[in-house]
Amino acid sequence: EPEVTQTPSHQVTQMGQEVILRCVPISNHLYFYWYRQILGQKVEFLVSFYNNEISEKSEIFDDQFSVERPDGSNFTLKIRSTKLEDSAMYFCASSQDRGSTEAFFGQGTRLTVV
Amino acid sequence: KNEVEQSPQNLTAQEGEFITINCSYSVGISALHWLQQHPGGGIVSLFMLSSGKKKHGRLIATINIQEKHSSLHITASHPRDSAVYICASSPIQGAQKLVFGQGTRLTINP
Repeated sequence: EPEVTQTPSHQVTQMGQEVILRCVPISNHLYFYWYRQILGQKVEFLVSFYNNEISEKSEIFDDQFSVERPDGSNFTLKIRSTKLEDSAMYFCASSQDRGSTEAFFGQGTRLTVV
Repeated sequence: KNEVEQSPQNLTAQEGEFITINCSYSVGISALHWLQQHPGGGIVSLFMLSSGKKKHGRLIATINIQEKHSSLHITASHPRDSAVYICASSPIQGAQKLVFGQGTRLTINP
């Protein structure tokens, strides 16, 4: 069964450092997403990506964040200068279409900023 | 702004019991998703529905569009069903940005 793959599963970084979280979406999917979940809180939308550009982003997704699809398979989330409050589980998801279609989630990357 | 609320927040039951988790949302949606999150953190999609009822094994999901309410039922619950169950809504327009509820932590004791 096709799946969304995220690497690494856990990353520890020092405050102020840049991190890149990587995702390989399902191959025939067209819409890609990043969500995050701070410990004990709801999962929150960060950004959606379609046709090589951001289609929607939340207030959380400020200038410190960027996304990229550098090749035909990877989808990355970069945080330029990490803060303590960026510590969270980051989930990548993909879907075949927009609207009411099923989203498939990766296993998540737990980011710890120290 | 769409808000998604779940109840209860925590639910503990004995093996074999019938489980119901409720979800309500505040604005019209294109679909309602039920997801399962295991202790390791990974999220698995269980159901996506926009009307009526869906069944998969011991899991049943229903939605009432007029009342903006959905329920997830588990029949003959088992300790392996212990997880956090999350409902999330898809907006009517725009990209599929899911709005998540806070989750229901279910514990099934043997």
